[in-house]
Amino acid sequence: AQKITQTQPGMFVQEKEAVTLDCTYDTSDQSYGLFWYKQPSSGEMIFLIYQGSYDEQNATEGRYSLNFQKARKSANLVISASQLGDSAMYFCAMREGRNDMRFGAGTRLTVKP
Amino acid sequence: SQTIHQWPATLVQPVGSPLSLECTVEGTSNPNLYWYRQAAGRGLQLLFYSVGIGQISSEVPQNLSASRPQDRQFILSSKKLLLSDSGFYLCASTEGYYGYTFGSGTRLTVV
Repeated sequence: AQKITQTQPGMFVQEKEAVTLDCTYDTSDQSYGLFWYKQPSSGEMIFLIYQGSYDEQNATEGRYSLNFQKARKSANLVISASQLGDSAMYFCAMREGRNDMRFGAGTRLTVKP
Repeated sequence: SQTIHQWPATLVQPVGSPLSLECTVEGTSNPNLYWYRQAAGRGLQLLFYSVGIGQISSEVPQNLSASRPQDRQFILSSKKLLLSDSGFYLCASTEGYYGYTFGSGTRLTVV
């Protein structure tokens, strides 16, 4: 069964506006971590933000924040003040304990000038 | 922090030829190591992972194999490449419960 679901294959956002990339996950574990990675056209995977299942506050890293809704099993990425350099693929991922990390199918974000 | 060296960056190989992709890790010891493959415009598929020297687990049956001859070295191989082996191959490393550090990837085209 799919553990990570990203329902938006592609998203567009105007430069300087905020955008939310959706991610839902499925787990019966109590201890897990949620991650977002950015993959530009060069292919490298860049770690953006992490949320632990026991963290009560939403994670933030600069312009990135993670909207964590545990009861809904949702971990949406919010990018504020979009920049042209934010255009890339974005992957949501989950790691249950020390198990392997599982990735969603990704969302391609395009920032329009 | 960890650094992953992965080479080559790009590779064009004929069908039926052998393959060897290497990944080495710096800045850590006894990491878990992973090989992922990504088809164009798609997500990441876990191919192999290793929790220690000589310990390899395979996720997907295929004509690829992996080996871990040293603690911080992970090799992906094939005796005979297929067209379907084309893709972007990423090596990743992790310690403990945290996220992965990725290498820069190898773009393989089988012709």
